[in-house]
Amino acid sequence: EAEVAQSPRYKITEKSQAVAFWCDPISGHATLYWYRQILGQGPELLVQFQDESVVDDSQLPKDRFSAERLKGVDSTLKIQPAELGDSAMYLCASSPREAGETQYFGPGTRLLVL
Amino acid sequence: SQQGEEDPQALSIQEGENATMNCSYKTSINNLQWYRQNSGRGLVHLILIRSNEREKHSGRLRVTLDTSKKSSSLLITASRAADTASYFCATGNAGNNRKLIWGLGTSLAVNP
Repeated sequence: EAEVAQSPRYKITEKSQAVAFWCDPISGHATLYWYRQILGQGPELLVQFQDESVVDDSQLPKDRFSAERLKGVDSTLKIQPAELGDSAMYLCASSPREAGETQYFGPGTRLLVL
Repeated sequence: SQQGEEDPQALSIQEGENATMNCSYKTSINNLQWYRQNSGRGLVHLILIRSNEREKHSGRLRVTLDTSKKSSSLLITASRAADTASYFCATGNAGNNRKLIWGLGTSLAVNP
């Protein structure tokens, strides 16, 4: 069964360092989402791509976060510099172009900023 | 921004019992979905109910939707220890780029 892949699964970094997360969606899925989930809360959308274009990045802290999906397939989310408050689970999800209301999630990357 | 509010926030039951979780939302929706998240893992889609539907079943899951009250419930029958997880509702709006607005979740513990 096709799955969304994410790496790394865990990342520990010091504040002010740069971190990057990678996501490979299910093959053929046009829409890709990056979420941040703080422990005990629901996911918060950071950025949504349709193919290679950003369709929603209203909640992305653009002074330190950036995301790209250059060829409309895999995607990278970067934080520079990391802050203590960035400690969270970063989830990637994808959905197909047709009948794409359902989102398929990867296992997530757990980030700890020290 | 969070739209859904699940209640209870936490639920503890014995294996074999039924578990009911509720979700309320604020704006008009096109669909409402329920997802499960095991500790430290990604979310798994359980069921989607559209705004013109009132009830839907999938295995041991039963979802109801009352658009007049802007609320939904998820019933898990004959619960198992493996059902222990957090459950989230998420709402989708028509023409909103498929963006989902998520609730805070209900943490379910099923004790053997």
